[in-house]
Amino acid sequence: DGGITQSPKYLFRKEGQNVTLSCEQNLNHDAMYWYRQDPGQGLRLIYYSQIVNDFQKGDIAEGYSVSREKKESFPLTVTSAQKNPTAFYLCASSPNPGQGIYGYTFGSGTRLTVV
Amino acid sequence: AQSVTQLGSHVSVSEGALVLLRCNYSSSVPPYLFWYVQYPNQGLQLLLKYTSAATLVKGINGFEAEFKKSETSFHLTKPSAHMSDAAEYFCAVNPGISNFGNEKLTFGTGTRLTIIP
Repeated sequence: DGGITQSPKYLFRKEGQNVTLSCEQNLNHDAMYWYRQDPGQGLRLIYYSQIVNDFQKGDIAEGYSVSREKKESFPLTVTSAQKNPTAFYLCASSPNPGQGIYGYTFGSGTRLTVV
Repeated sequence: AQSVTQLGSHVSVSEGALVLLRCNYSSSVPPYLFWYVQYPNQGLQLLLKYTSAATLVKGINGFEAEFKKSETSFHLTKPSAHMSDAAEYFCAVNPGISNFGNEKLTFGTGTRLTIIP
């Protein structure tokens, strides 16, 4: 079945470390997105990519980095510059960024905790 | 620019009672509207969407929503709540007219639904 796979489901990071969250989709979707979710704050957009080798900052990009070398993959790196990285991270994709009719398909999320 | 407002961050209903979750939108063009459900420690799952066809939209798990342009609303309802409906629900909006490449869903802040046995 087609879908989005996020790994790992749980991740623990020590202060000062960079960590990378994986997001892979086999839906042949053009666009991919990373969101951060904190209690009571809804979803906040970190980065998005509408085509391979191109991506744009979202609302809270500071302390994060991404790459889009393959259509299927959109990994997110949480750097040591992100001061409060403990959160639930969601990856999503959509077929065509210019056609809002489709909405997004979401992965099951990665919970990152700083220890 | 578009936005959505979900009235009530927490809603509690008794099992078997009507579920009503409110969503009001703001959009300069006719929008596409979505409701998503999120169970604990999981991603968001699409419940239903409005894409300018029928104004009453039926979704999964017995939920439905009605698009009311005059009220700029897209409230989510279910006639009889079940314990399994306990989750967080998100309303989202996307402009219906393409501004090619620049559309992104705008999400509300969510409503946590609790079902009382």
